[in-house]
Amino acid sequence: GAGVSQTPSNKVTEKGKYVELRCDPISGHTALYWYRQSLGQGPEFLIYFQGTGAADDSGLPNDRFFAVRPEGSVSTLKIQRTERGDSAVYLCASSPQGTGVGEQYFGPGTRLTVT
Amino acid sequence: DAKTTQPTSMDCAEGRAANLPCNHSTISGNEYVYWYRQIHSQGPQYIIHGLKNNETNEMASLIITEDRKSSTLILPHATLRDTAVYYCIVRVAGSGNTPLVFGKGTRLSVIA
Repeated sequence: GAGVSQTPSNKVTEKGKYVELRCDPISGHTALYWYRQSLGQGPEFLIYFQGTGAADDSGLPNDRFFAVRPEGSVSTLKIQRTERGDSAVYLCASSPQGTGVGEQYFGPGTRLTVT
Repeated sequence: DAKTTQPTSMDCAEGRAANLPCNHSTISGNEYVYWYRQIHSQGPQYIIHGLKNNETNEMASLIITEDRKSSTLILPHATLRDTAVYYCIVRVAGSGNTPLVFGKGTRLSVIA
């Protein structure tokens, strides 16, 4: 079946611009996560949705970062006034409700480059 | 911060068993050990998890020491496609929908 998809796969933007990154989770998965991965590092948690609401946004680095999931399916990560330090691979993952196992299914990521 | 320590890198000959160690000396009684791997340019992929008993599935085996302070992921017959970064993660039981905390992982290179 279809896995988690993310668009675009690559995004190049200029410093100071606004960007949106999209995540389509596996159908029926109620939990959705955003992570950020810098070169040579493991993924770093940003925000987690349970349904439409953000259950935990403690990983967002500052108020330039915002994410929404208005209908409990597709999610968009929004970054305002981008900085060169925002360059990274942004990963999205989803998981079913209440499995207890906690297996998360990851998308291929969006590589963001801020010039 | 990650609660695990892993070697930075390891090599393994193709067809041989790959044994990837992980130390988690501060693990709590209600924390599971999870393993994920990340092949180049892909998102992480779940491999296996366990609490205190050894576990095996179609991908790998997980051996957890009796004191639960360390574990080993075993790929019984490594292939070139197993070349990846392997992450060992500890996580509270029953927390099916909480975020994963990744360290830097072990970069496994399978050599022909």
